[in-house]
Amino acid sequence: EVQLVQSGAEVKKPGESLKISCKGSGYTFTNYWIGWVRQMPGKGLEWMGIIYAGDSDTRYSPSFQGQVTISADKSINTAYVQWSSLKASDTAMYYCARGGSTRLDPFDTWGHGTMVTVSS
Amino acid sequence: DIQMTQSPSTLSASVGDRVTITCRASQSISIWLAWHQQKPGKAPKLLIYKASSLERGVPSRFSGSGSGTEFTLTISSLQPDDFATYYCQQYNSYPWTFGQGTKVEIK
Repeated sequence: EVQLVQSGAEVKKPGESLKISCKGSGYTFTNYWIGWVRQMPGKGLEWMGIIYAGDSDTRYSPSFQGQVTISADKSINTAYVQWSSLKASDTAMYYCARGGSTRLDPFDTWGHGTMVTVSS
Repeated sequence: DIQMTQSPSTLSASVGDRVTITCRASQSISIWLAWHQQKPGKAPKLLIYKASSLERGVPSRFSGSGSGTEFTLTISSLQPDDFATYYCQQYNSYPWTFGQGTKVEIK
């Protein structure tokens, strides 16, 4: 069974750094893209970016370029998104989702989400 | 970026109703459109991909159609489990983008 298991909820202060994770299992991690999606409280889904786990080729939404860094460690089948300096407006649920083995495959499996709360 | 616009934003319907949600793209995306369902407090779930292909395990009352810039998601007979928010998403080109969502409520 394909699964994406995300790290637990985080409570941080503005200006702090953070790295959250998404571990894939049940499939060949390096053959697929993994993306990240933000959902602010009560709002819709926003595509942040995507990484090909095999070679770490990464694409960002212009809205998130420079605000976050997406990475992957194929030795442990895990993808990450990190912030160097959090803002209150980063408070949201963050989902990882598996894309396909090609660029023209949608998200077919979603993680359960990681809630990030940024508050002083 | 390709803008995705869904209508309506909210839809009130009864069990057994036929429900249709529309998604329009700001430019042609061919057939590279997916529909996801999200229930409160849960992660989204893929229903339809390539505009009209049903994801494995998804009930056949769900169907999708369209190409180019106009797409629809139809639920042929609404069931209690279907009350949720539905999002279209284009994956024709980066950045992938989502519609704003359509909430299907109980009438």
